[in-house]
Amino acid sequence: GQNIDQPTEMTATEGAIVQINCTYQTSGFNGLFWYQQHAGEAPTFLSYNVLDGLEEKGRFSSFLSRSKGYSYLLLKELQMKDSASYLCAPGLTGANNLFFGTGTRLTVIP
Amino acid sequence: DAGITQSPRHKVTETGTPVTLRCHQTENHRYMYWYRQDPGHGLRLIHYSYGVKDTDKGEVSDGYSVSRSKTEDFLLTLESATSSQTSVYFCAVRSGESYEQYFGPGTRLTVT
Repeated sequence: GQNIDQPTEMTATEGAIVQINCTYQTSGFNGLFWYQQHAGEAPTFLSYNVLDGLEEKGRFSSFLSRSKGYSYLLLKELQMKDSASYLCAPGLTGANNLFFGTGTRLTVIP
Repeated sequence: DAGITQSPRHKVTETGTPVTLRCHQTENHRYMYWYRQDPGHGLRLIHYSYGVKDTDKGEVSDGYSVSRSKTEDFLLTLESATSSQTSVYFCAVRSGESYEQYFGPGTRLTVT
């Protein structure tokens, strides 16, 4: 079976840095995806890690440790528009489908 | 935005009626997916397609059927809607060359 664990809610201050952790257990693994979803909108793709290590993309970075079943999303220089849910999604082998966690709702406060 | 549209965007229907949701894409993506999203649950895969007339079940397929007669269209049908199928339904697409999926705007379905 599949299981994902990430915090339900987080609050951070504008301009700060926040790290959203995700641990996962899957039967087959093909990389780790992060999506952002604003309330009432569709998820949008943020990052994909297939190898261990840190991938940086502007203010957002994502880290993966395959041996530990662990990933995190790092958001720097937080802006109010970063208030959203962040979804961790392991890719599964075989059909290469994604399995989504329930997400972390991040609130950025002034 | 990966050229994905969903129709209708909102629908209210009664228990027992059939409902069809449409996902349309303009960029010739090979893979298409239907998800539902409910409070307290992550996005859950209903059905997916890996080509014209090639479909398979996902995690929560009971009560749903799909069809893909053209590359650009993927239809999701609720043969006899139930209140438990009240949800937001998202379509997603993926090209054959990459693994990331891109989502449509969603359809909010209410079954009364």
